[in-house]
Amino acid sequence: GAVVSQHPSWVICKSGTSVKIECRSLDFQATTMFWYRQFPKQSLMLMATSNEGSKATYEQGVEKDKFLINHASLTLSTLTVTSAHPEDSSFYICSAPSTYEQYFGPGTRLTVT
Amino acid sequence: GENVEQHPSTLSVQEGDSAVIKCTYSDSASNYFPWYKQELGKRPQLIIDIRSNVGEKKDQRIAVTLNKTAKHFSLHITETQPEDSAVYFCAASLEGNNLFFGTGTRLTVIP
Repeated sequence: GAVVSQHPSWVICKSGTSVKIECRSLDFQATTMFWYRQFPKQSLMLMATSNEGSKATYEQGVEKDKFLINHASLTLSTLTVTSAHPEDSSFYICSAPSTYEQYFGPGTRLTVT
Repeated sequence: GENVEQHPSTLSVQEGDSAVIKCTYSDSASNYFPWYKQELGKRPQLIIDIRSNVGEKKDQRIAVTLNKTAKHFSLHITETQPEDSAVYFCAASLEGNNLFFGTGTRLTVIP
């Protein structure tokens, strides 16, 4: 099946710094990618939809200036968490739709100290 | 937008028994209903899905049923095994669009 990679798999950063997470579709082109966030023992919640060549669409309550999304090519979307705070600590997962299903990246565990 | 509810939140069964997890959705436009198994710290793993033109689908010990009129769908796992223990999520979407997830069910299979 199709493969979506995500990097890094885990990251620890200090409060106030920025962190970039990459999501790549390895064997198919994705004009759209989705970014989800999952807090411990909770479900996956959509943060934003990343669109190749245009601005991302953010869900209500997600600050677009804090979570910067860039979808510069048909295989790469990046999520940058700016001025991270401890409450941003979470599991971030991207996904890309293909013909038959959604393919998820392995996720990035972000811990902000 | 779509709202997906999932029950129960926790489920314990004896090995060999069946497990049933139920979900309801609100948007009649949704036409794709996948079920995921997620282990701690890992990505959701698709275990079965169903599209709105089908009422039931089975894959070995796993089956899913869909009632579009009532807007609910269910996951059935038969002959449960300890390795089935995990968190299961249902989801609904208009195919190709983002997924709306249920709140999850922690299944424990007791040996």
